[in-house]
Amino acid sequence: NAGVTQTPKFQVLKTGQSMTLQCAQDMNHEYMSWYRQDPGMGLRLIHYSVGAGITDQGEVPNGYNVSRSTTEDFPLRLLSAAPSQTSVYFCASSQGNEQYFGPGTRLTVT
Amino acid sequence: GNSVTQMEGPVTLSEEAFLTINCTYTATGYPSLFWYVQYPGEGLQLLLKATKADDKGSNKGFEATYRKETTSFHLEKGSVQVSDSAVYFCALSDLQGAQKLVFGQGTRLTINP
Repeated sequence: NAGVTQTPKFQVLKTGQSMTLQCAQDMNHEYMSWYRQDPGMGLRLIHYSVGAGITDQGEVPNGYNVSRSTTEDFPLRLLSAAPSQTSVYFCASSQGNEQYFGPGTRLTVT
Repeated sequence: GNSVTQMEGPVTLSEEAFLTINCTYTATGYPSLFWYVQYPGEGLQLLLKATKADDKGSNKGFEATYRKETTSFHLEKGSVQVSDSAVYFCALSDLQGAQKLVFGQGTRLTINP
């Protein structure tokens, strides 16, 4: 089992560019989520999905889109990157009482 | 809304010292409580959890007790090691299981030999 994988590990974007952060899990978990981690603020929930075809907004969804066409994959899209989106992004999956986190993507928007 | 407050960091201790990291929460209903640990350059790992009042979670020498009367879930370890250096996050979930976690701001712990 690879667990939760994320690509890329690092990314630098210019303001206004778009990109997709990839997330995949091989544990057949129904629930997946995206968080961003900023200094002094812990992790904040961006979007989550309770199963294929179902997504919902978390605490800080503005500027991000998600889709869930398969159980395994849950990509996060930035349509027009802004410097405020500079952060470390974590994907997680869970089934029951534990969330499993990926290694993270460090994104810098200049 | 639900929220979690952790003690301010960073925290620096000597090896074999006693560790306490305070965590208090505000929530409606009966949340589950978690401690996660993040080692340098890695994602978060579940350290321990408690799902109801007076439950004690424990793992790797760390303990935390779910105190509903004081809305707290303080993390303790009797004798820390250099390998415990990491960032520790307290979190709660107000749904069944571990979905939609609300995190504290994290506490960076450094243990000196």
